[in-house]
This record gives sequence, structure tokens and C-alpha cells, in this order.
Amino acid sequence: AQKITQTQPGMFVQEKEAVTLDCTYDTSDPSYGLFWYKQPSSGEMIFLIYQGSYDQQNATEGRYSLNFQKARKSANLVISASQLGDSAMYFCAMREGKGGSYIPTFGRGTSLIVHP
Amino acid sequence: GAVVSQHPSWVICKSGTSVKIECRSLDFQATTMFWYRQFPKQSLMLMATSNEGSKATYEQGVEKDKFLINHASLTLSTLTVTSAHPEDSSFYICSARRDTGLNTEAFFGQGTRLTVV
Repeated sequence: AQKITQTQPGMFVQEKEAVTLDCTYDTSDPSYGLFWYKQPSSGEMIFLIYQGSYDQQNATEGRYSLNFQKARKSANLVISASQLGDSAMYFCAMREGKGGSYIPTFGRGTSLIVHP
Repeated sequence: GAVVSQHPSWVICKSGTSVKIECRSLDFQATTMFWYRQFPKQSLMLMATSNEGSKATYEQGVEKDKFLINHASLTLSTLTVTSAHPEDSSFYICSARRDTGLNTEAFFGQGTRLTVV
């Protein structure tokens, strides 16, 4: 079974609009972390945002926010005020367990295209 | 954030030759590094977990004799693709784990695009 599911292969958004990228996860471990990465065409993986399973509040980093719904096991990424430079692949990832067993599992990714 | 440098960014080699890819953590010590392979328009597939001073742990289906991993120091792990063939052409990316108290973060290198001709 997939541990990380990203159901949107591709998304389009108009510049300056907000967009939500979906991510659901599956784990029985009470301690886990959720990550979002951006991968532009150059290939590098850019860390965007992190949410711990025990965090009470949704994580935010600038224009990025994570809509964490623990009961639904979803961790959607919200990008506000999209910019042309946001066009890239976006990967949701999860690590389970405490620090000693960090091996992140990645979703298949969502290709985001921001058009003017 | 922490910096992980991967070198080279791209390499073209002939079939049958070996290629070495380096992954360095520049401003922190990384006892654990990870090597991934990514095919076009696909997700990252974990190939192996590299532990400083010990043998790497390979994922199922990854040939350890073909993909040699050496993690000789706390800041350097290398992946050597031996006797490369065109089907080994792919994007290889490493990440280094930084332990900071209760949290562990992994930072990625820039990736290496390998083309075997």
C-alpha cells in the first residue's frame, strides 16, 4: 500500500492565485513528520515546509502553509499568491518513527504550472 | 538551511566505464546519507542508506555490486556506478541527515544527471 498519495499528477493555477496540492498519508506510527519539497526543472530538491505529528498548529513558511488534518491523514500544501517561479514538481514526503529511523517516503509528485 | 553539495551535476560516460558521484555535507556532520534514483516524471526511489564507517544498506532490487557506496567520513558519501550501461542513465540524488535534538532533517544535494552512451 502506498504510504504517501498525491492524487493530482498536474495542476494549473493563474499567477497571484492560491493553489492547494493534495497529500494523504498512511501510517500507524503515532510519531511522524510530513514534508513538502519543490523540485524545479534543474532537479534539486528544495525543502519547503515541515509538520510534525504532535504539532498543534499548522505549519507556515512565508507563502507556504500546510493544512494538516490528522484525523483524515491529510497534509495539503497551500501556496498563496502563486508566482511564475513556483512552476515545478512538488513532492510530499513522510518519515515515521523518532529520529533514529529517518527514511523519508515520497509521493509520486504533482506538477504545478503557474500561468500569467 | 544546511548545505549538501553533490558533484558532478551531470556526466556522460561510455558503456562499460565506472562513474563516481560525491555527496558532501558542507556545514554539518552526517552519519547517515541516502541515495535516490529518479526516472523522468517519477518520484524518488530510495536505493540505499549510507552509514559512516559501516556498510550501506541497500533496498530490495538494488545491486550492491553495481552501485558501490562508500561513506568514509562524516561529511562525504560516494556512489560509484560500475560498468555503466545505458539503462543506468538516470537522475541520482543524495540527501544527508542532520540530527538536531528531537528532530531529524534531511537536506538534498543538487542531483547528478547520468547519461550512459
